[in-house]
Amino acid sequence: NAGVMQNPRHLVRRRGQEARLRCSPMKGHSHVYWYRQLPEEGLKFMVYLQKENIIDESGMPKERFSAEFPKEGPSILRIQQVVRGDSAAYFCASSPTRGGYTFGSGTRLTVV
Amino acid sequence: KNEVEQSPQNLTAQEGEFITINCSYSVGISALHWLQQHPGGGIVSLFMLSSGKKKHGRLIATINIQEKHSSLHITASHPRDSAVYICAVSGNTDKLIFGTGTRLQVFP
Repeated sequence: NAGVMQNPRHLVRRRGQEARLRCSPMKGHSHVYWYRQLPEEGLKFMVYLQKENIIDESGMPKERFSAEFPKEGPSILRIQQVVRGDSAAYFCASSPTRGGYTFGSGTRLTVV
Repeated sequence: KNEVEQSPQNLTAQEGEFITINCSYSVGISALHWLQQHPGGGIVSLFMLSSGKKKHGRLIATINIQEKHSSLHITASHPRDSAVYICAVSGNTDKLIFGTGTRLQVFP
């Protein structure tokens, strides 16, 4: 069981480019959560998805950010037209049911 | 006021010392989580508890639901325990609300 896989581990984007962050949950886990950790700040919830459904996106900025968890393949967090303030570590967690989270190693996004 | 408060923010200890990190929360919860994060590293889930006490190796986590308080204890601390320890709570909506973390450094 490979755990929660996130890629890439590090991502550098110029301002205005798009960033795509991938998360493959643990086998058998159908719940995926995305969290963001800004530099020197705590973790904040962004979005909660189940297969093909967004359950709660209350923590995700309304513009430029989107998330999906298709029937096949990983969950994708997409940030369009990145700005310097998007630089952060983005963590994905998965669970088989409610609670019992397993976290990925994170994607560190740097916008230059 | 944050919904999840941790203390202390920073903690230094000598190898072998007994360590306690505290967490208080102000919202209704279904579970409380203790997480560990090494510098530049991923996040490891240490405990999920909704009542009582759990133990795993040298780590012990307790929760008092009435007082809305939890503690994480590390016995016989070791330099490899140096990390940020994060308290988080989950409610009916499943998403986690995090404390700001406690940065622990254990010196040999």
